[in-house]
Amino acid sequence: DIQMTQSPASLSASLGETVTIECRASEDIYNGLAWYQQKPGKSPQLLIYNANSLHTGVPSRFSGSGSGTQYSLKINSLQSEDVASYFCQQYYDYPWTFGGGTKLELK
Amino acid sequence: QIQLVQSGPELKKPGESVKISCKASGYTFTDYAMHWVKQAPGKGLKWMGWINTYTGKPTYADDFKGRFVFSLEASASTANLQISNLKNEDTATYFCARGRHWFAYWGQGTLVTVSS
Repeated sequence: DIQMTQSPASLSASLGETVTIECRASEDIYNGLAWYQQKPGKSPQLLIYNANSLHTGVPSRFSGSGSGTQYSLKINSLQSEDVASYFCQQYYDYPWTFGGGTKLELK
Repeated sequence: QIQLVQSGPELKKPGESVKISCKASGYTFTDYAMHWVKQAPGKGLKWMGWINTYTGKPTYADDFKGRFVFSLEASASTANLQISNLKNEDTATYFCARGRHWFAYWGQGTLVTVSS
């Protein structure tokens, strides 16, 4: 199975700050990566697919990048509504696997 | 609009069974696979597997082979997850999610609590 190692596990940032979350795959996943945002008590919401494609309706302050085994999600100009947990998911090879998650809080 | 609506929370005892439903609307049910994802309390997401909504063929992740069954009521645009011989570690929220690779649509989740 492909292991997805996400970092950091938690993050505290100020409004307006730029935040970066990393995801490392145990092998090349050829951009088969999605990012999700999950707020407490809610289902995950798709942000990014194919490593860098913004899902419809997602604010442009979210962006994804990376290749090979290293990927990142960047949030520019952090807003209060961005407080949530974030997960990466690889879909290059079965079984699909998720990163352990990053809990983003306001400083 | 596209919606996945799951059945309500369940409280079960160890050894019992539970069946969770996921009713889809707003699109042609058989055009997209349905996946299932587990989230234990305070934990991350774990992919359980998927069902081909056209053929009805299920595929299970290794950790979900044996006690877990994916099924369809295609005429009702509904996917089901049945868990038998429940264990304490099955306590979790279970999500259905539409897609082949990434999941743009999710159900609201069904909390299954297993407790004696």
